[in-house]
Amino acid sequence: DQQVKQNSPSLSVQEGRISILNCDYTNSMFDYFLWYKKYPAEGPTFLISISSIKDKNEDGRFTVFLNKSAKHLSLHIVPSQPGDSAVYFCAASAPSNTGKLIFGQGTTLQVKP
Amino acid sequence: NAGVTQTPKFQVLKTGQSMTLQCAQDMNHEYMSWYRQDPGMGLRLIHYSVGAGITDQGEVPNGYNVSRSTTEDFPLRLLSAAPSQTSVYFCASSYDGGKAEAFFGQGTRLTVV
Repeated sequence: DQQVKQNSPSLSVQEGRISILNCDYTNSMFDYFLWYKKYPAEGPTFLISISSIKDKNEDGRFTVFLNKSAKHLSLHIVPSQPGDSAVYFCAASAPSNTGKLIFGQGTTLQVKP
Repeated sequence: NAGVTQTPKFQVLKTGQSMTLQCAQDMNHEYMSWYRQDPGMGLRLIHYSVGAGITDQGEVPNGYNVSRSTTEDFPLRLLSAAPSQTSVYFCASSYDGGKAEAFFGQGTRLTVV
């Protein structure tokens, strides 16, 4: 039972354009969501997060939107840069406050120059 | 500032062998976790710990054992390696169980033949 889903395995965008990565979840008890970025042969690195009491969080070129009623969140990258090419993972923090993260399958973003 | 350190980076095991993947963090984080990454599956939680002496199972704990005798170290033991355990393993730590980003190590690529 996949509680966090990223249905698009890959996305390709042109440099300078917007990248939109999507994530759906099933457990309404999740109260914190995070996005991680991963380059090959490296560990995931934290990108941006959002609490379930908010619907938007922005950090520079990165914005995360949360739609609780649809159990959907998205990551917007504007403008996209070639260095953004990586695998992006959506994760939800389990409500038991244990440090457990439930990850989606990941979306590979390719930004073309 | 080393962060989360995993050793070894690469390992090849024969079926039935046992080994320990090491994980150490120098950030005094209470929360530590082990994940495995498989193609198309994202990161799946194996075991986690909310503090020294306290561990619990994640989504895919079978075939693995953990202990947490100190805040800094969280080793993962493979009791009798199987080809299905071929994967990339990541250790993570965080200072807050629910609302803080997790810091990941660089990973251990394990092949079981």
